[in-house]
Amino acid sequence: AAGVIQSPRHLIKEKRETATLKCYPIPRHDTVYWYQQGPGQDPQFLISFYEKMQSDKGSIPDRFSAQQFSDYHSELNMSSLELGDSALYFCASSLEGQRNEKLFFGSGTQLSVL
Amino acid sequence: AQKITQTQPGMFVQEKEAVTLDCTYDTSDQSYGLFWYKQPSSGEMIFLIYQGSYDEQNATEGRYSLNFQKARKSANLVISASQLGDSAMYFCAMREVLYNFNKFYFGSGTKLNVKP
Repeated sequence: AAGVIQSPRHLIKEKRETATLKCYPIPRHDTVYWYQQGPGQDPQFLISFYEKMQSDKGSIPDRFSAQQFSDYHSELNMSSLELGDSALYFCASSLEGQRNEKLFFGSGTQLSVL
Repeated sequence: AQKITQTQPGMFVQEKEAVTLDCTYDTSDQSYGLFWYKQPSSGEMIFLIYQGSYDEQNATEGRYSLNFQKARKSANLVISASQLGDSAMYFCAMREVLYNFNKFYFGSGTKLNVKP
């Protein structure tokens, strides 16, 4: 079965640069979530989208923005990168409105800011 | 208050033995979902098992079972016949509805080490 696809798998950037992470949800899933996981930490919720509109916002810095496109894929744009942004970034998708809704994760993008 | 509490930062288990990873949750919703995810050292987050709040039977998926005790608000993961490949970080998570949208909460994780 198709899973959540994230690209790139690894990304190395310098401080103050920008980065764009992409997420392709499971087909028919209408909701996308972005999480940030620092070393040894649990995933921290950043932002979510339902039907191309922001549905919830977590601890996402103002330097970051995200959107969901008409084909339901999502992109997380990160500007003015800081050393502390180095983390594993997960995208997850689900089908909203299902009683037994489950959250499925992509493999993550490992971002290293040097 | 913490929505999900995992009190065991790390655990050891002998290969082929069973192990229980603890998880307690806090919600006032009647309808919610509970999940367990496995995160090996490679980093991906692997869905293991799901329990709905209205499900009367404990969920089972192969060697994984979820010991759901609703009154105690606990959702412990039981891994039977541990294998070396089970060594990983395990996260308990909960889904509840907030403002008509699903919201997911994660615990701090338990690192399981399976000894040969």
